Amino acid sequence: AQTVTQSQPEMSVQEAETVTLSCTYDTSESDYYLFWYKQPPSRQMILVIRQEAYKQQNATENRFSVNFQKAAKSFSLKISDSQLGDAAMYFCAYRSAPYNSGSRLTFGEGTQLTVNP
Amino acid sequence: EAQVTQNPRYLITVTGKKLTVTCSQNMNHEYMSWYRQDPGLGLRQIYYSMNVEVTDKGDVPEGYKVSRKEKRNFPLILESPSPNQTSLYFCASSFWGASNQPQHFGDGTRLSIL
Repeated sequence: AQTVTQSQPEMSVQEAETVTLSCTYDTSESDYYLFWYKQPPSRQMILVIRQEAYKQQNATENRFSVNFQKAAKSFSLKISDSQLGDAAMYFCAYRSAPYNSGSRLTFGEGTQLTVNP
Repeated sequence: EAQVTQNPRYLITVTGKKLTVTCSQNMNHEYMSWYRQDPGLGLRQIYYSMNVEVTDKGDVPEGYKVSRKEKRNFPLILESPSPNQTSLYFCASSFWGASNQPQHFGDGTRLSIL
């Protein structure tokens, strides 16, 4: 079974600064997908960014980017120019290819990000 | 508007009283699933369904039931709720065979079992 680990239960950053959230995963599969979700106090689950394992290029979405290290099974999220609205719980998630494990989504424990003005 | 709708959003009930949390999606998604979120544990999958009449257990299925009689609906049933099922529950859906596509989540249901 796949596991996802977020070793930082809490992080804080000053507004306009950069912060990196860590995520590692364990799998024997070669074909999979990785996601970062944001959960603000409204508790909605909002997709931040996604990465296909077969792509070597790191995904970017505006101020959000990832550092995907497939061999190390690491998938960190970098938030640049942090804004107050970035304050939320962030979850790293792994999804198998459809033919594996019912294509379930496995989540990490979450990292609570605080943005200080 | 594409959405996943869960009801109720909040529920306080007592041990042993059967309850159902409904989930409906309007995106014609084949894949639907239920998760529970607990502090320090993230979200864990309870059950999932790959299509009508096709369901399977996730990581924490004990004490829960599901059914998928129609493509759009995937209710979660607690036949005899217990306090350890107090949690935040999410329903999610996506197209089957498109693992690179994100799952669409409902707004969550906060269940308290006394």
